[in-house]
Amino acid sequence: DAMVIQNPRYQVTQFGKPVTLSCSQTLNHNVMYWYQQKSSQAPKLLFHYYDKDFNNEADTPDNFQSRRPNTSFCFLDIRSPGLGDAAMYLCATSVVGLAKNIQYFGAGTRLSVL
Amino acid sequence: AQSVTQLDSQVPVFEEAPVELRCNYSSSVSVYLFWYVQYPNQGLQLLLKYLSGSTLVKGINGFEAEFNKSQTSFHLRKPSVHISDTAEYFCAVSRSNDYKLSFGAGTTVTVRA
Repeated sequence: DAMVIQNPRYQVTQFGKPVTLSCSQTLNHNVMYWYQQKSSQAPKLLFHYYDKDFNNEADTPDNFQSRRPNTSFCFLDIRSPGLGDAAMYLCATSVVGLAKNIQYFGAGTRLSVL
Repeated sequence: AQSVTQLDSQVPVFEEAPVELRCNYSSSVSVYLFWYVQYPNQGLQLLLKYLSGSTLVKGINGFEAEFNKSQTSFHLRKPSVHISDTAEYFCAVSRSNDYKLSFGAGTTVTVRA
């Protein structure tokens, strides 16, 4: 059974049209992460939530936002997608302290920008 | 800060042959080490991890890795690969006093019949 679920698996949007990607988890983990992965590259951390605390990476563009309304759900909002934002977006979760930083990933959402 | 270097970007290998993927890291504090596998259009799946204890760790799908502190390495091995092992493999490191992961650039393994 999937423990970190990302919807949709594939998303097509138009240049400049806002888009939201969603992630849910059944693990009750306190940390949720969003990564951007471009073709043949390593995942790049955009930001993460530690409980309700939002932590943005220094080089994450302002165009990317996130919301975590409760423990189970986290959203990635791209306010005005550009062609360069086409990528795989990965959500991951972890529990700080007990599981020694093991992150569990969803299957990803592949975003295309037309 | 820590960094992770995967020494091979692409590794072609024949079916039933052994494979080794190399990973070196640098860190000023103790670390936890991970190998993840990513199949096409999928997320990352944890293959194995080193947290403490025995330096030889065994993971899923017949993979194993050895932590070598003096050489700051965590190389991944499988004695006999299958076509289904064709995938991207990422080495990742986390400092013991942090919870974020640093990833290597990845190694593409292509298994041929």
